[in-house]
Amino acid sequence: ETGVTQSPTHLIKTRGQQVTLRCSSQSGHNTVSWYQQALGQGPQFIFQYYREEENGRGNFPPRFSGLQFPNYSSELNVNALELDDSALYLCASSLAGLNTGELFFGEGSRLTVL
Amino acid sequence: GDSVTQMEGPVTLSEEAFLTINCTYTATGYPSLFWYVQYPGEGLQLLLKATKADDKGSNKGFEATYRKETTSFHLEKGSVQVSDSAVYFCALSDQSGNTPLVFGKGTRLSVIA
Repeated sequence: ETGVTQSPTHLIKTRGQQVTLRCSSQSGHNTVSWYQQALGQGPQFIFQYYREEENGRGNFPPRFSGLQFPNYSSELNVNALELDDSALYLCASSLAGLNTGELFFGEGSRLTVL
Repeated sequence: GDSVTQMEGPVTLSEEAFLTINCTYTATGYPSLFWYVQYPGEGLQLLLKATKADDKGSNKGFEATYRKETTSFHLEKGSVQVSDSAVYFCALSDQSGNTPLVFGKGTRLSVIA
């Protein structure tokens, strides 16, 4: 177990709706990253938060947004859901400055958009 | 941009067979290389890593050597077990380890008794 917890584990939404996914980091970790893993694909980087600010973003539209809270937990929000947003969303925590490249992943939230 | 290509799966092996999962990469500079594993019902976890050319990462009987001349980081294990059944992802980041991971598509391994 990595100590990273995500909720909900599964959810179903319809096109056009909005969704919020939550993540609690491993204790002591101050950096949170979010990845999207479509079926049969590797995880794709969405964005990263450090000290409550976004400090890196992948090739995802602005309707993907996030927050990091003072306790380092995080949220991923997706507006105007599209069918292609159906995927496993992974949260990963790490400690900035450690320079190991090792991320600690949660089990993910599986989103289905109908 | 940076990318990782790994062999297509699924791979099915008998217990105690030799495993190789190929991984090649394209990157500017000299990235750090990783193998992550995703067991059924669990999140991804780091299996091993190498941060410079000719380094060998190893863990749980798995090994991979950073080959700069062939831009490869193939995963090997001499004798697989049923418990090794999982999806394996090759990944890279920049040498500092502080940039986002770029993952391959994953290779599903099934080991049968």
